[in-house]
Amino acid sequence: AQSVTQLGSHVSVSEGALVLLRCNYSSSVPPYLFWYVQYPNQGLQLLLKYTTGATLVKGINGFEAEFKKSETSFHLTKPSAHMSDAAEYFCAVTANRDDKIIFGKGTRLHILP
Amino acid sequence: DAGVIQSPRHEVTEMGQEVTLRCKPISGHNSLFWYRQTMMRGLELLIYFNNNVPIDDSGMPEDRFSAKMPNASFSTLKIQPSEPRDSAVYFCASTQGAGGYTFGSGTRLTVV
Repeated sequence: AQSVTQLGSHVSVSEGALVLLRCNYSSSVPPYLFWYVQYPNQGLQLLLKYTTGATLVKGINGFEAEFKKSETSFHLTKPSAHMSDAAEYFCAVTANRDDKIIFGKGTRLHILP
Repeated sequence: DAGVIQSPRHEVTEMGQEVTLRCKPISGHNSLFWYRQTMMRGLELLIYFNNNVPIDDSGMPEDRFSAKMPNASFSTLKIQPSEPRDSAVYFCASTQGAGGYTFGSGTRLTVV
């Protein structure tokens, strides 16, 4: 079985500061990992994904995440926060190509001016 | 591609009425998922289909909820009778595999 834990339901950073959203996963088989972003009154949008290969994955809007098997982590980072990054972010895991994705509870990112 | 299309965007109905939510997945995607999102419970998977066949409906809260996928391009989620606690945003998503889901914009349901 798979599970995802996102540390911190709310994270606040200043504009221009580093963004770090934490995600740890549990999976009995090699996982596929995802980050999704949800802006107010919208659906979830895929930010980036890890399936196999390079462990540092780059996504849209300057975000990236690194798969660390030894730490069972897939933290999301962005070097410099922008006001438009304010949204809710979901980490997710799946073990099988056609299986359901398990989502974390989400982290709401607040950007301080 | 137009993406995953959900209708209606907003629905307000009275308690006891039947509600039908609709979803058109992306052409070529073979799996379809229905989610419910609330402040209290977050994002909950209700049911998912693979090649139009229901695979896992363990998330459907009660017999009042039912979902169908008569063909590869259309799915419905029905609530009958509706109750105020069903008020939520309902999302449909589709995928063709490990590429991740594509979500629709959601239907905001309010039951009064």
